[in-house]
Amino acid sequence: DVKVTQSSRYLVKRTGEKVFLECVQDMDHENMFWYRQDPGLGLRLIYFSYDVKMKEKGDIPEGYSVSREKKERFSLILESASTNQTSMYLCASSSTPRWGSREAFFGQGTRLTVV
Amino acid sequence: QKEVEQNSGPLSVPEGAIASLNCTYSDRGSQSFFWYRQYSGKSPELIMSIYSNGDKEDGRFTAQLNKASQYVSLLIRDSQPSDSATYLCALNDMRFGAGTRLTVKP
Repeated sequence: DVKVTQSSRYLVKRTGEKVFLECVQDMDHENMFWYRQDPGLGLRLIYFSYDVKMKEKGDIPEGYSVSREKKERFSLILESASTNQTSMYLCASSSTPRWGSREAFFGQGTRLTVV
Repeated sequence: QKEVEQNSGPLSVPEGAIASLNCTYSDRGSQSFFWYRQYSGKSPELIMSIYSNGDKEDGRFTAQLNKASQYVSLLIRDSQPSDSATYLCALNDMRFGAGTRLTVKP
């Protein structure tokens, strides 16, 4: 059974803290993604990676960074957490098939509250 | 203009009716399109993908793509209360629309 696992389901952090959200996939997928999901705004792409040590900015990268040192692991870093980063964070992974569906598999999400 | 636009709804249909969900996109170069379903409190899961103009059917679900008009739609026939969820449209670059919340009333 395919699996994308996020390190925490719920997280509470203080303003100004450095926060690490971890995501691990066991499907040997090349591509990994970080989103935040807020009511009425849908899934917004923060960063993505197509390969180890590669990263690309998504639509809302400000205040975030990422790290991908190993193929199976993609970390999202909030350099200095702020209250407007309170959100549900979702990690996803996908393969890059020559043919067929490029289905993305999602982790269970991390609900981050910054106080 | 947002890359992927969806009517956020909510959309409410009676059980047994056809639910129609629509999505428009701005990038004419988009080649692949996906519909994800997200139940409340859960993560999105893929239900349909479509690459060619026309219709693609899978059980009670039909995806329709019109590249010239830059829209993709999802039809759910014989809607069931278990179809109540948020439906997200996505492009191949993994950008998503805001989602349409569907409620099917018994």
